[in-house]
Amino acid sequence: GAVVSQHPSRVICKSGTSVKIECRSLDFQATTMFWYRQFPKQSLMLMATSNEGSKATYEQGVEKDKFLINHASLTLSTLTVTSAHPEDSSFYICSARPGGPNTGELFFGEGSRLTVL
Amino acid sequence: KQEVTQIPAALSVPEGENLVLNCSFTDSAIYNLQWFRQDPGKGLTSLLLIQSSQREQTSGRLNASLDKSSGRSTLYIAASQPGDSATYLCAVSGTGGSYIPTFGRGTSLIVHP
Repeated sequence: GAVVSQHPSRVICKSGTSVKIECRSLDFQATTMFWYRQFPKQSLMLMATSNEGSKATYEQGVEKDKFLINHASLTLSTLTVTSAHPEDSSFYICSARPGGPNTGELFFGEGSRLTVL
Repeated sequence: KQEVTQIPAALSVPEGENLVLNCSFTDSAIYNLQWFRQDPGKGLTSLLLIQSSQREQTSGRLNASLDKSSGRSTLYIAASQPGDSATYLCAVSGTGGSYIPTFGRGTSLIVHP
């Protein structure tokens, strides 16, 4: 299947700093990527839909100034958690579909564990 | 708004049993349904994808069925093994907008030797 790579897999930072997480589609182009957040023993919560070359579409309740999403190319989307606080500690996962947003199988990155001290 | 429910929430079985995991959804206007596996602290691994026009898909010991009209899918695992222990998630993608997938809360499976 297609490969989606996420980096870093783990990051620990101090409260008030910003953290950037990268999501790359390695063997296909992705016009749309999805960013999720997952709390322990919970399902995935969609945060936003990242659209190449345009602004991301955020889900209700997700602060767009807090979670900055940039999708500057067809293979890379980034999520920046700005001025991180302990409550932002979570598991963040991205996903993408080869061939565009409305075709076929969804593939996920390995996830990024963020711990804010 | 699409809602996806997975039953049971947790399952613990001895090795060798055949298992059925259930997924139900409220809006039958779907594009596809996908089953995933998630190991602790890891991302999601795609297991099976069923398009809305299909009724089932098979891969090895796994078989997934889809009854779109009744809003149900089942994942059948034959001859379960300890390595099957994981959380199984189903995701339903709608037909509008970016075909955003909606996830169930998952079934946590433990297969003990």
